[in-house]
Amino acid sequence: DAGVIQSPRHEVTEMGQEVTLRCKPISGHNSLFWYRQTMMRGLELLIYFNNNVPIDDSGMPEDRFSAKMPNASFSTLKIQPSEPRDSAVYFCASSAPRGETQYFGPGTRLLVL
Amino acid sequence: AQKVTQAQTEISVVEKEDVTLDCVYETRDTTYYLFWYKQPPSGELVFLIRRNSFDEQNEISGRYSWNFQKSTSSFNFTITASQVVDSAVYFCALSPNAGGTSYGKLTFGQGTILTVHP
Repeated sequence: DAGVIQSPRHEVTEMGQEVTLRCKPISGHNSLFWYRQTMMRGLELLIYFNNNVPIDDSGMPEDRFSAKMPNASFSTLKIQPSEPRDSAVYFCASSAPRGETQYFGPGTRLLVL
Repeated sequence: AQKVTQAQTEISVVEKEDVTLDCVYETRDTTYYLFWYKQPPSGELVFLIRRNSFDEQNEISGRYSWNFQKSTSSFNFTITASQVVDSAVYFCALSPNAGGTSYGKLTFGQGTILTVHP
């Protein structure tokens, strides 16, 4: 069975550019979570969706970050404009239902120069 | 508010030693889940175990065992006869399992870096 799929796996961009991270949850899972991992702050929940609806985006750092889930099999996390402090590993996870175990994708390593 | 504390930042052992990773949590929820995840050097987060707050039975899976003590709010993880492949960062996490917007939100500890030397 396919796990959570994330793309790209690595992204290097310059400050000010738009970055889009993509996630495909496990088929049948109806909850999707975006996390960010940094050395300083550890693993932080940014936003999560239940049945494609954003439930809690209180972890989104600022307006430069936005996330969408247009259907049950796809979500994006966008950073516009990107800044060097956004450099981190971004994980997507899914669960079914939302209180159950979350399974994580391989992550996207983002470096903003 | 929820909090998970993994007091051991780094642990170093020699292969075949037993090692215990400590996890202490704080929550006001009456029902919750506790988790352990493993993050090997390759970077992915691998689910190891989930424990419901109703179930205080200890669990053993091969060389891994978990000791859940609600009275001390602890959920410790022991690796018996450690191996080099166990080298990773291990995260303890907590999630409420009742309704509301917090339902399903994982709060992670800071992680324990385990290095197993040959």
